[in-house]
Amino acid sequence: GAVVSQHPSWVICKSGTSVKIECRSLDFQATTMFWYRQFPKQSLMLMATSNEGSKATYEQGVEKDKFLINHASLTLSTLTVTSAHPEDSSFYICSARAQSGQPQHFGDGTRLSIL
Amino acid sequence: GIQVEQSPPDLILQEGANSTLRCNFSDSVNNLQWFHQNPWGQLINLFYIPSGTKQNGRLSATTVATERYSLLYISSSQTTDSGVYFCAGPHSGNTPLVFGKGTRLSVIA
Repeated sequence: GAVVSQHPSWVICKSGTSVKIECRSLDFQATTMFWYRQFPKQSLMLMATSNEGSKATYEQGVEKDKFLINHASLTLSTLTVTSAHPEDSSFYICSARAQSGQPQHFGDGTRLSIL
Repeated sequence: GIQVEQSPPDLILQEGANSTLRCNFSDSVNNLQWFHQNPWGQLINLFYIPSGTKQNGRLSATTVATERYSLLYISSSQTTDSGVYFCAGPHSGNTPLVFGKGTRLSVIA
């Protein structure tokens, strides 16, 4: 149980394009979803928290206009990297939680490379 | 916010050896999770352990919440145990997980 599916696994695109990453909770309803970013040989850093039907809460230093997060249903959240540039290249991982106080479950991540 | 410290940062083991990884928190945590990140980046959830001790095969974990630390034990290590081990905890039930910097484990045959 508690499966989180994240797509795509890999994305390579040109600088200036926008990229959408989907995160789905397959067998549970996620009231809260989280987006993390991980640079090589570093830890996971929280980018934003989103509750279904509400605007996302972004961490300090994360541009909300660049990283658009939508959490329109209890099983789907999307992260759109707008006008991506090489410095946005990273490993993006989503996480979903059914209820407050319960464990977070993670997707397999999306490796984004901007040329 | 809460700070999570993991030690050691790097560890090299001979296959078959045992090891203990430690996680310290700067403040009380509502729960605690241990993860193994494999070479492909997948985060494998090892334990959800707010307190007490749990065991799963060759792995076990102990959290002493009152003293703000947790330990992960790996016994009879195998090469497939290689990767990065992260601990993470939220400050309260409705806050997100904060990750430590991880312990990079290499098990050599």
